[in-house]
Amino acid sequence: EPEVTQTPSHQVTQMGQEVILRCVPISNHLYFYWYRQILGQKVEFLVSFYNNEISEKSEIFDDQFSVERPDGSNFTLKIRSTKLEDSAMYFCASSEGGTYNSPLHFGNGTRLTVT
Amino acid sequence: AQSVTQLGSHVSVSEGALVLLRCNYSSSVPPYLFWYVQYPNQGLQLLLKYTTGATLVKGINGFEAEFKKSETSFHLTKPSAHMSDAAEYFCAVSDAGNTGKLIFGQGTTLQVKP
Repeated sequence: EPEVTQTPSHQVTQMGQEVILRCVPISNHLYFYWYRQILGQKVEFLVSFYNNEISEKSEIFDDQFSVERPDGSNFTLKIRSTKLEDSAMYFCASSEGGTYNSPLHFGNGTRLTVT
Repeated sequence: AQSVTQLGSHVSVSEGALVLLRCNYSSSVPPYLFWYVQYPNQGLQLLLKYTTGATLVKGINGFEAEFKKSETSFHLTKPSAHMSDAAEYFCAVSDAGNTGKLIFGQGTTLQVKP
């Protein structure tokens, strides 16, 4: 069964550094998402992406964050200057047609640790 | 705005016992509701979903959930717990907008004792 893949599984970075989290969504999916889960807290929506542009973003997704689909297969989340509070598990998800028509398929996540 | 509350961050049952994980939602529009499961070091996997129609929905691994509009609930049940059911379970509601995003509860960790 096709799956969403995320790399790396664990990323350690120093505060102030840039990080790029990578995701390969399921190939025929059109909607892409990033979520994050800070340890012990809820899974929180960050951003949705459709037709090569952001369709919605949360308050968390400030100017330090950006997303890109550079080559038609990868979907990346960039954090320009990481802060300690960015430490979390980041999940990528994709959907064929949005939740009304099909569910979100999630990757295994990237654990980001900012020191 | 939509929201989800899961009652009980940790639930412990014995193997073979009934599993009941509680979820209440708030939604300004008819909700689309989901349960996801997360096994250690894995992503979120869809267990089941309610969109319209029959209010009792069956999912994978013997789980089912019942949508009760009057109680704004979508509790997850399984008649007989198995050791392999130990995981974290998330209830979610689909946002009323057209972006397809999900709004999650805080999750419930299910422990199954032998």
